[in-house]
Amino acid sequence: AAGVIQSPRHLIKEKRETATLKCYPIPRHDTVYWYQQGPGQDPQFLISFYEKMQSDKGSIPDRFSAQQFSDYHSELNMSSLELGDSALYFCASSLESAGGPLETQYFGPGTRLLVL
Amino acid sequence: QKEVEQDPGPLSVPEGAIVSLNCTYSNSAFQYFMWYRQYSRKGPELLMYTYSSGNKEDGRFTAQVDKSSKYISLFIRDSQPSDSATYLCAMSVERGSTLGRLYFGRGTQLTVWP
Repeated sequence: AAGVIQSPRHLIKEKRETATLKCYPIPRHDTVYWYQQGPGQDPQFLISFYEKMQSDKGSIPDRFSAQQFSDYHSELNMSSLELGDSALYFCASSLESAGGPLETQYFGPGTRLLVL
Repeated sequence: QKEVEQDPGPLSVPEGAIVSLNCTYSNSAFQYFMWYRQYSRKGPELLMYTYSSGNKEDGRFTAQVDKSSKYISLFIRDSQPSDSATYLCAMSVERGSTLGRLYFGRGTQLTVWP
């Protein structure tokens, strides 16, 4: 079965640079969630999109922005990178409808970002 | 205080043992309960998904939800070395028509030795 695809898998950036992370949800899934997982930490919710509209916002820095496109893929844009942004960034997708969620969240393999 | 509490372990058991993993939570509005397995440097892999209270069984895995006690459990029967991983509980409140963000426990590191 198709899974969530994330690219790139690894990314090394310098401080103050920008980065763009991409997420391709499972086919037919209409909702995308972004999470950040620091070393030894549990995943922390950043932001989510349902049918291309932002549906919820968590502890996402103002330096970060995200969007969901017409083909349901999503991009997380990170600017003015800081050392503390080094983490695993996961995208998860689900199928949800006006009648309530039909499937739970399935996670991608993550993008490992290292800021030097 | 985190909304979801989970003993980080580590937990070490012999092959064939029954493993019990648990989480407690404080938000009575949680309706969806999940268990994920995460291998080192990999994405969380969904194991079990339960709505509201009750039990759910899938092969060697059984998930239990007790909303009255705000307590969820995952049991692994006949544990195998390949079960060695970090197990994360997660839960959410339905938000409009969407599942809503997941709130995770810290994860329990499990090692099953041959």
